[in-house]
Amino acid sequence: DTGVSQDPRHKITKRGQNVTFRCDPISEHNRLYWYRQTLGQGPEFLTYFQNEAQLEKSRLLSDRFSAERPKGSFSTLEIQRTEQGDSAMYLCASSRPGGATGEQYFGPGTRLTVT
Amino acid sequence: DAKTTQPPSMDCAEGRAANLPCNHSTISGNEYVYWYRQIHSQGPQYIIHGLKNNETNEMASLIITEDRKSSTLILPHATLRDTAVYYCIVRITSGTYKYIFGTGTRLKVLA
Repeated sequence: DTGVSQDPRHKITKRGQNVTFRCDPISEHNRLYWYRQTLGQGPEFLTYFQNEAQLEKSRLLSDRFSAERPKGSFSTLEIQRTEQGDSAMYLCASSRPGGATGEQYFGPGTRLTVT
Repeated sequence: DAKTTQPPSMDCAEGRAANLPCNHSTISGNEYVYWYRQIHSQGPQYIIHGLKNNETNEMASLIITEDRKSSTLILPHATLRDTAVYYCIVRITSGTYKYIFGTGTRLKVLA
């Protein structure tokens, strides 16, 4: 079990630019989640995939955000026309199929700074 | 999902037990209690979870009251490496199984 990996770990971008983050879940996990965490707050749910299907999106996920998981393995989160308010830690988590109590395993996160 | 209430911060002496409380008075019968911790600048780390029975693993013990309206996470012998923010989460066992985090308890273990 190599754990959830995220790339890049840090990203600095100028306002108005597009950015894309990647998440590689634990290999046998079919559920994948994206969360966002701002300073001093707990993580907030953004979106959820079961295999390649995106089954829930939070109201936090504005039209500038899009997430994909094309083959049910890795996932990408893209933010278009970044704003300073998008500065946050973006966390990915995965969990195994079946079992209503399956815990989520989190990656190290991607810290985005929009200047 | 049920909301949780935790004290914002706690201190604990190294080597002593750390008891972290959580109130979840609106929990439903099919909702589990999960505990995670987050060490500075890392992703949250799973600690333990339970439904109504007390649970123990190599990291911690979870005590859930009989009415399930509150729980306590116990770190039996706290070390400096246990300094972190601890989150208590109540999650419904259907649908997306997403987590709703609160602001957690910042535990500081003192030498």
